[in-house]
Amino acid sequence: EPEVTQTPSHQVTQMGQEVILRCVPISNHLYFYWYRQILGQKVEFLVSFYNNEISEKSEIFDDQFSVERPDGSNFTLKIRSTKLEDSAMYFCASRDSANSPLHFGNGTRLTVT
Amino acid sequence: GESVGLHLPTLSVQEGDNSIINCAYSNSASDYFIWYKQESGKGPQFIIDIRSNMDKRQGQRVTVLLNKTVKHLSLQIAATQPGDSAVYFCAENLNTGNQFYFGTGTSLTVIP
Repeated sequence: EPEVTQTPSHQVTQMGQEVILRCVPISNHLYFYWYRQILGQKVEFLVSFYNNEISEKSEIFDDQFSVERPDGSNFTLKIRSTKLEDSAMYFCASRDSANSPLHFGNGTRLTVT
Repeated sequence: GESVGLHLPTLSVQEGDNSIINCAYSNSASDYFIWYKQESGKGPQFIIDIRSNMDKRQGQRVTVLLNKTVKHLSLQIAATQPGDSAVYFCAENLNTGNQFYFGTGTSLTVIP
């Protein structure tokens, strides 16, 4: 069964550094998402992306965040200047239509020290 | 002060019993709902979905019930197995948007 893959599985970075989290969505999917989950808390929406542009974003997704689909297969989340409170699991998800479920990757655990 | 983390509702069941996990959703404009299972260290895994024009949907060993009047969703797992132990989330999609809102989750523990 096709799946969403995310790399790396764990990223440790120092406060103020830039990180790029990478995702390969399922190949025929058109809608892409980033969610995050702080340890022990619920899954929170960050941003959705369709037709090469952001379609929705949450108030968490401020100017330090950006997303990109640099080629036909990758979908990236960049955090420009990481803060301690950015430490969380970051999940990428995709779906093939507006009426289908999200399929999630296994996440990248980001630790900011 | 601000809580560091949420205290998840928990449910413990004996292996072989049926489990019922409940979810109260927030927005009457939501028209598509999904149940996800999340095992430790993994991403949410799709279990079953239901649209607002239905009140019940069945899958393999799972049934989702939707009560739009009280904005309530439930997941029933028949003959619960140890492999069902996980955190279960409901997610709702507003008919005006693209994103899904997740509930706080319920931690299910199956006792062998």
